[in-house]
Amino acid sequence: EAGVAQSPRYKIIEKRQSVAFWCNPISGHATLYWYQQILGQGPKLLIQFQNNGVVDDSQLPKDRFSAERLKGVDSTLKIQPAKLEDSAVYLCASSLGASQTDTQYFGPGTRLTVL
Amino acid sequence: AQSVSQHNHHVILSEAASLELGCNYSYGGTVNLFWYVQYPGQHLQLLLKYFSGDPLVKGIKGFEAEFIKSKFSFNLRKPSVQWSDTAEYFCAVNGGGSYIPTFGRGTSLIVHP
Repeated sequence: EAGVAQSPRYKIIEKRQSVAFWCNPISGHATLYWYQQILGQGPKLLIQFQNNGVVDDSQLPKDRFSAERLKGVDSTLKIQPAKLEDSAVYLCASSLGASQTDTQYFGPGTRLTVL
Repeated sequence: AQSVSQHNHHVILSEAASLELGCNYSYGGTVNLFWYVQYPGQHLQLLLKYFSGDPLVKGIKGFEAEFIKSKFSFNLRKPSVQWSDTAEYFCAVNGGGSYIPTFGRGTSLIVHP
């Protein structure tokens, strides 16, 4: 079974530039999550989709971050404009359903460095 | 605010030593508890989870965790660690009225052969 795919794996940009990350979840998984993991901390949920609808985006900094999941499959996360404090690993995860007890499967992450 | 504490940030053990990693949470009410592991160069993956039933949960690779409601704890244990257990371990919690999973900051475990 193919896992969660993410690209790019690494990205270096200057502050005030924009950047986009892509995620392809496991086939058939209805729920998709984007997390931000700053060095030395645990992952922090940014947004959760079920199919193409947003379940929770309360921790997404909406002034600069946006995410979409058109057609309920792939998803993109965008940052515009980037700040130094956005340097982190951005993780995508998917689960079969939206239950709190469903197992989440994580992708390899995208490491973003903002200079 | 809901929080998850992992008190041991770095743990160094020799092979065959016993392991216990602490995890405490601040939620009230019904909670779901998870331990995730990230081996060097690999994805974050589920080690075990608890949401109801027997508070002693067994996971993959000989790991187990015990949910003690009165102590708001979900400590991870393994009686005899191996070099291949070297990894970062994360405790996570959801529930208490929130679907949002909250992760602890992680514990880095190094096992010397």
